[in-house]
Amino acid sequence: GAVVSQHPSWVICKSGTSVKIECRSLDFQATTMFWYRQFPKQSLMLMATSNEGSKATYEQGVEKDKFLINHASLTLSTLTVTSAHPEDSSFYICSAGLNTQYFGPGTRLTVL
Amino acid sequence: SQKIEQNSEALNIQEGKTATLTCNYTNYSPAYLQWYRQDPGRGPVFLLLIRENEKEKRKERLKVTFDTTLKQSLFHITASQPADSATYLCALVTGGGNKLTFGTGTQLKVEL
Repeated sequence: GAVVSQHPSWVICKSGTSVKIECRSLDFQATTMFWYRQFPKQSLMLMATSNEGSKATYEQGVEKDKFLINHASLTLSTLTVTSAHPEDSSFYICSAGLNTQYFGPGTRLTVL
Repeated sequence: SQKIEQNSEALNIQEGKTATLTCNYTNYSPAYLQWYRQDPGRGPVFLLLIRENEKEKRKERLKVTFDTTLKQSLFHITASQPADSATYLCALVTGGGNKLTFGTGTQLKVEL
C-alpha cells in the first residue's frame, strides 16, 4: 500500500522556539494532505487541509499564524509550530490519499 | 450538533471470541464510513471502507456493517487474537473532498 513518512518522529524544544515537521508521500503524489493533532487518550482532531500550490484550509479554532503549513510539492507538506508553548505538546499526524487515507507514523512534540 | 461516538472507551474480550465495536453518528450524512486501527504511539492504519449503499463488507476476520437508518456501523473481529489488541477508530468523510472526522475510539484488549 501507499506509504507516508514523517520527520522527525519526536522532538523536544524550548518554549518560544519554532519546530518544523515534514510529511512525505513516498510512492504517490498528493495534491491534498491533512494534519491532525492527538492528545493522550483522545481521538485525532483535524487541524488543517494542506493544498499543493495554494493556501491551507484551517479548521475552526486552529490559529493559522501559529501553525504554518506549506505544501510546496506533490509529495511534501510541512507544518511549522511557531513560538511553541507547553500546551502545544502533542502527537502530530499527517495523512494523504483519496478515499482511503494513509497516515504517517506521527511526530511526538514536547515543549519544555 | 454533530457527533461520532464509539460504544465504549475500552473493551476486554477473551481470545477466540468475536469482538463487536459500535460507531454511532448524529447529524451527518456520510457517503462512506471507514475503520482504522491505531497502536500506541503510531499513526492509524486503514482497515475497511463501507459505502452508504453497502450493508456489509468483509476482509479476512473483519466484518463491517453500515445502517444509514440507524446511523450506526458495527465492526466485528472474529476469532480474536491478542495481536488484535489496539484502539479502533471509525471515521466519516465530512464536508467536501476526503476530509475525515474521527470517532472517539475504542481500546480493545484481547486476553489469553
